[in-house]
Amino acid sequence: DIVMTQTPLSLSVIPGQAASISCKSSQSLLYSDGKTYLYWYLQKPGQSPQLLIYEVSNRFSGVPDRFSGSGSGTDFTLKISRVEAEDVGVYFCMQNAQLPTFGQGTKVEIK
Amino acid sequence: QVQLVQSGPVVKKPGSSVRVSCKASGGTFNSFSISWVRQAPGQGLEWIGGIIPFFGTSNSAQSYQGRATFTADESTTTAYMELTSLKSEDTALYFCASHFTQPFDAWGQGTMVTVSS
Repeated sequence: DIVMTQTPLSLSVIPGQAASISCKSSQSLLYSDGKTYLYWYLQKPGQSPQLLIYEVSNRFSGVPDRFSGSGSGTDFTLKISRVEAEDVGVYFCMQNAQLPTFGQGTKVEIK
Repeated sequence: QVQLVQSGPVVKKPGSSVRVSCKASGGTFNSFSISWVRQAPGQGLEWIGGIIPFFGTSNSAQSYQGRATFTADESTTTAYMELTSLKSEDTALYFCASHFTQPFDAWGQGTMVTVSS
């Protein structure tokens, strides 16, 4: 199985400030078709997870442009340019290059 | 956009089985796959397995092989997950999630399965 490792595991952010979450995979997520199958999800308190970013850097429908994803191979980053109160929750990275596996999650709270 | 509605919470005894349902609407049932993901209390997300209703094919994480079964009923656009030989460690919130355009692009509300004697 591909192991996904997120850092940090928790983050306290002042509204309006930027936040960044790292996700590293134990193997390259670059598939033979040239795509990199790395995704980001947000689970808001008491809710089901929701898709934010697909294939490293593409925002899913309705996701604000303050969210951006970057990276390649085994190292990936999710950035929130200006954190808002509604962004609190747990962020998970997930790989689908092989059978899906998730990172441990990063809890984001507002200071 | 696909919407997924799951069955309600259940309490089961160790050694028994549980079946969770996931009714889909808002998309053509045969045009997407359904996966099952679980979340133990206060923990992260774990993929269990999934099914492609159009083909009737399924796969699962190695740790669930032989214990998890996935089925789908096209006539009612409902997917099912059955988990056997339940243990207390299987106590978790179980989600279904679709792959319509992207993996896990829509999620059910979750079904709490409690395993307790």
